[in-house]
Amino acid sequence: QKEVEQDPGPLSVPEGAIVSLNCTYSNSAFQYFMWYRQYSRKGPELLMYTYSSGNKEDGRFTAQVDKSSKYISLFIRDSQPSDSATYLCAMSLLYNQGGKLIFGQGTELSVKP
Amino acid sequence: EAGVTQFPSHSVIEKGQTVTLRCDPISGHDNLYWYRRVMGKEIKFLLHFVKESKQDESGMPNNRFLAERTGGTYSTLKVQPAELEDSGVYFCASSQDTRGLYGYTFGSGTRLTVV
Repeated sequence: QKEVEQDPGPLSVPEGAIVSLNCTYSNSAFQYFMWYRQYSRKGPELLMYTYSSGNKEDGRFTAQVDKSSKYISLFIRDSQPSDSATYLCAMSLLYNQGGKLIFGQGTELSVKP
Repeated sequence: EAGVTQFPSHSVIEKGQTVTLRCDPISGHDNLYWYRRVMGKEIKFLLHFVKESKQDESGMPNNRFLAERTGGTYSTLKVQPAELEDSGVYFCASSQDTRGLYGYTFGSGTRLTVV
């Protein structure tokens, strides 16, 4: 069983839609959660990070963590064609000395004009 | 600020040959990481340097892979001899924070194809 599960998609939505991306994890010791965005032929780019249960908002993006259910989400409001990319969840142990990240497989998102 | 630079961007080699990938981290970042994505799979950790020392190399697949970081600056990842299953995208990342709490900055990756 993978430590982090993420539906690879692809996911296609019309411009302006609300997008919901999700990951589940099995290791209850994970305490630090991140979402990365990756455009084609580029490296992952950090979007948001959080280390507690609850919501964190940044512009059109909201990250949600539910540690009791081992479930994290990323919501994108008013989606734009420029949001078309692969979205990767990643997590680590807060006190991991190495900062090693465990990634989900990534969800490919396409926002149609 | 220059980002993380990797080269080559692409490499096609024959099975049994040797390939060396290079990563130049952001200046001043002591922490350097190598990750790999094999087609259809998730990005997986290979190893972590703090300056020139290997902090964690638990993700290195086998002894055909050798990573070095000269003087705590750039890093190389050598695969010798390459096998078909080594094909994938190799990412390098760097950070100031040892625990990676504020995320890394990734390079664009080296796409390695072993034929």
